[in-house]
Amino acid sequence: QSALTQPASVSGSPGQSITISCTGTSSDVGGYNSVSWYQQHPGKAPKLMIYGVTNRPSGVSDRFSGSKSGDTASLTISGLQAEDEADYYCSSYSSSTTLVFGGGTKLTVL
Amino acid sequence: QVQLVESGGGLVKPGESLRLSCAASGFTFTDYYMSWIRQAPGKGLEWVSYISSSGTTIYYADSVKGRFTISRDNAKNSLYLQMNSLRAEDTAVYHCARGPVVGYGMDVWGQGTTVTVSS
Repeated sequence: QSALTQPASVSGSPGQSITISCTGTSSDVGGYNSVSWYQQHPGKAPKLMIYGVTNRPSGVSDRFSGSKSGDTASLTISGLQAEDEADYYCSSYSSSTTLVFGGGTKLTVL
Repeated sequence: QVQLVESGGGLVKPGESLRLSCAASGFTFTDYYMSWIRQAPGKGLEWVSYISSSGTTIYYADSVKGRFTISRDNAKNSLYLQMNSLRAEDTAVYHCARGPVVGYGMDVWGQGTTVTVSS
């Protein structure tokens, strides 16, 4: 089962905006509005940040936003803060493998 | 509050079996699909399996199909993962999670239980 493709790392300074991409195929990201994003701090459980491509669960800061174009979904974090430093994972429904995760992106706040 | 607590992890030898449990509380368990997701040491998340609210619909990742069995006991608000024929590559932290929910996300996660497969 091929994972969705994410950059291994991204970085940004406090106050800046960053975007993490998540590339799949028409069988997953491109074919369905079922992309989610998770934040994971070291030693902690993942936390749902975005579901259904663009939706934020209650309690998640509006600095986090999601979008999709073709086979690529994106997570944008605006007004970067030190506490945003974490690993981020995308996931999607897949017609071939049911559910697939991306390989993860380490966000460093400089 | 809404909570998921996993148990049952441990150290086993290749070929042996293990049964993981996940106790749910703070929400109506019967309303939700439930999933198992694992994370190998230093690696990313890997979906393992999910089960519908009634238990009638089940899916597995290819990597565990035929070896792992997911089940639930709605009377006990509990989710299970029976793992047979364990391999070294099954070594991971196993999280139970609520979902997929709308938008195909998992909105509540447990802290996980560690499974180590080593001779």
